[in-house]
Amino acid sequence: AQSVTQLDSHVSVSEGTPVLLRCNYSSSYSPSLFWYVQHPNKGLQLLLKYTSAATLVKGINGFEAEFKKSETSFHLTKPSAHMSDAAEYFCVVSEQKYSSASKIIFGSGTRLSIRP
Amino acid sequence: ETGVTQSPTHLIKTRGQQVTLRCSSQSGHNTVSWYQQALGQGPQFIFQYYREEENGRGNFPPRFSGLQFPNYSSELNVNALELDDSALYLCASSPEGGGRQETQYFGPGTRLLVL
Repeated sequence: AQSVTQLDSHVSVSEGTPVLLRCNYSSSYSPSLFWYVQHPNKGLQLLLKYTSAATLVKGINGFEAEFKKSETSFHLTKPSAHMSDAAEYFCVVSEQKYSSASKIIFGSGTRLSIRP
Repeated sequence: ETGVTQSPTHLIKTRGQQVTLRCSSQSGHNTVSWYQQALGQGPQFIFQYYREEENGRGNFPPRFSGLQFPNYSSELNVNALELDDSALYLCASSPEGGGRQETQYFGPGTRLLVL
């Protein structure tokens, strides 16, 4: 069965310190994994995605994530947090069985707060 | 390049009523997906349309229905509204049939309140 778990509902870090948002997944097929960000009153925006190429994926705004199959994880990191990073972050798993439509599941989200 | 747009932005309905939400996909995209995002939760997949045909459905009852038009814009219809239908409804478009590797481009959403 396909599922995605975001291990922290809320993460708070100081500006300039590293960010770690944790995501674990399960999938019966080779999945694609995504991180999206949702700022208040704005649409969801893609940060990065893994599609079975390089396991270390670089995204926009200095974010990156590493696909670890053995740990079924896809954690999102950033070396130095900025105030503008405060938002809700969603980990997403997408799998597709043969020629059927892809099945997309969002995690419950992690709210990232940045302290001045 | 025009992004995904949705209308209306906000809507208030009462229980038992019917509602239609609209979405214009990004230019060149032939696939539209709809999601329901309850307060404090992640979006849940409702269904997807590819070239005017339903191409996948989540765990939503039949009173949630949709359409896709030849210009790839889409409607989400909800009949017999219930209080639990209060949520942000998101539309997303993608360019090539919604395969597992495709990025989805989201609109800003329609916030529905059912009283």
